[in-house]
Amino acid sequence: TQLLEQSPQFLSIQEGENLTVYCNSSSVFSSLQWYRQEPGEGPVLLVTVVTGGEVKKLKRLTFQFGDARKDSSLHITAAQPGDTGLYLCAATRLTSGGSYIPTFGRGTSLIVHP
Amino acid sequence: DVKVTQSSRYLVKRTGEKVFLECVQDMDHENMFWYRQDPGLGLRLIYFSYDVKMKEKGDIPEGYSVSREKKERFSLILESASTNQTSMYLCASRPPGPNEQYFGPGTRLTVT
Repeated sequence: TQLLEQSPQFLSIQEGENLTVYCNSSSVFSSLQWYRQEPGEGPVLLVTVVTGGEVKKLKRLTFQFGDARKDSSLHITAAQPGDTGLYLCAATRLTSGGSYIPTFGRGTSLIVHP
Repeated sequence: DVKVTQSSRYLVKRTGEKVFLECVQDMDHENMFWYRQDPGLGLRLIYFSYDVKMKEKGDIPEGYSVSREKKERFSLILESASTNQTSMYLCASRPPGPNEQYFGPGTRLTVT
């Protein structure tokens, strides 16, 4: 069972369209991160959300953390070809041994056509 | 600028060979991680280390081992490579606590 469920898995859209990617869980998290990964590269952090209900904006990207801190969304306005990539949500769970273990959703692969 | 480097971008090995993947970070982070990434499966944690000479198993440790002799370096070892270990391997580092991670560029390993 995946701790973080991401949807949709694939998204192919035209330049200028809007889109939303979802990251859902039945667990409560103290924080959640969104990463973007380009082909052949490692993921790069976009944002961290910490407070329930928090909204953060990064140019045309809007990130929201659910009130209960179990889910998050990423909305892109007027998508551009440069937004193409794999978007990953990630959170941290605390093990019984006291270690913080990162966990990732399976990712949303976005292609924006010119 | 923070930096995580991995020893190779591409690697081709034969079944049964011993494979070393090396990762170095220059941020003085305590925590380091090894993942593999496969299409449709996302990033899966193999091993992590929270201090020198300390290691813990992640979600899929079978067939792998790790070594952390120095704080900046975390090595992933495939004792006897198999074809099902063909994958993209990503290393990451992180300061203490539930913070964001910094990733290396990845090593695409093919085992034939």
